[in-house]
Amino acid sequence: QKEVEQNSGPLSVPEGAIASLNCTYSDRGSQSFFWYRQYSGKSPELIMSIYSNGDKEDGRFTAQLNKASQYVSLLIRDSQPSDSATYLCAVRSGRAQKLVFGQGTRLTINP
Amino acid sequence: NAGVMQNPRHLVRRRGQEARLRCSPVKGHSHVYWYRQLPEEGLKFMVYLQKENIIDESGMPKERFSAEFPKEGPSILRIQQVVRGDSAAYFCASSPGSAGGNTEAFFGQGTRLTVV
Repeated sequence: QKEVEQNSGPLSVPEGAIASLNCTYSDRGSQSFFWYRQYSGKSPELIMSIYSNGDKEDGRFTAQLNKASQYVSLLIRDSQPSDSATYLCAVRSGRAQKLVFGQGTRLTINP
Repeated sequence: NAGVMQNPRHLVRRRGQEARLRCSPVKGHSHVYWYRQLPEEGLKFMVYLQKENIIDESGMPKERFSAEFPKEGPSILRIQQVVRGDSAAYFCASSPGSAGGNTEAFFGQGTRLTVV
């Protein structure tokens, strides 16, 4: 079982709609969860961090964490073409709490 | 307030040569991570370092690869006797720590290694 799993997509969403990205993780001891955005040919950029169960909102982005289900999600409201990128879920995992990434979900926002 | 600095941005090496990649973390960050990324693939964890200490190297190949984060100076990822399969983007990230409080990690621009 992979430490962090994401649907690789591609996920296609019309402009203005809500994009929903999902991630599951295997280590029940994980305490820190992150979403990164990566444009093609660029480095990953941190967009959200979440540490406790529930929702965390930042502008058009909402991260949701459910530790009991070992599930993290990212919602993007009012999707824009500039949101088209690969979204990476990251989790601190293992005794050393190293930062492990899922394979990423490619999101395309259609004008 | 400089972010994570990696150099060089692009590196070309012939098969059999050594590649040395450098990473200077965000000022005040004591934890460094190295990742490898092939085109259209995810970030593969390689090694997790604290100053003068390797915390987790479970993603490092057993041979030819080594990493260090000395007390002074940047973190170095060294690849000896490079082969074509080593061609990839290598990213470094840094964070203040890994437990409690803020553990956010920020990435450098990466080093694109090409082995010819």
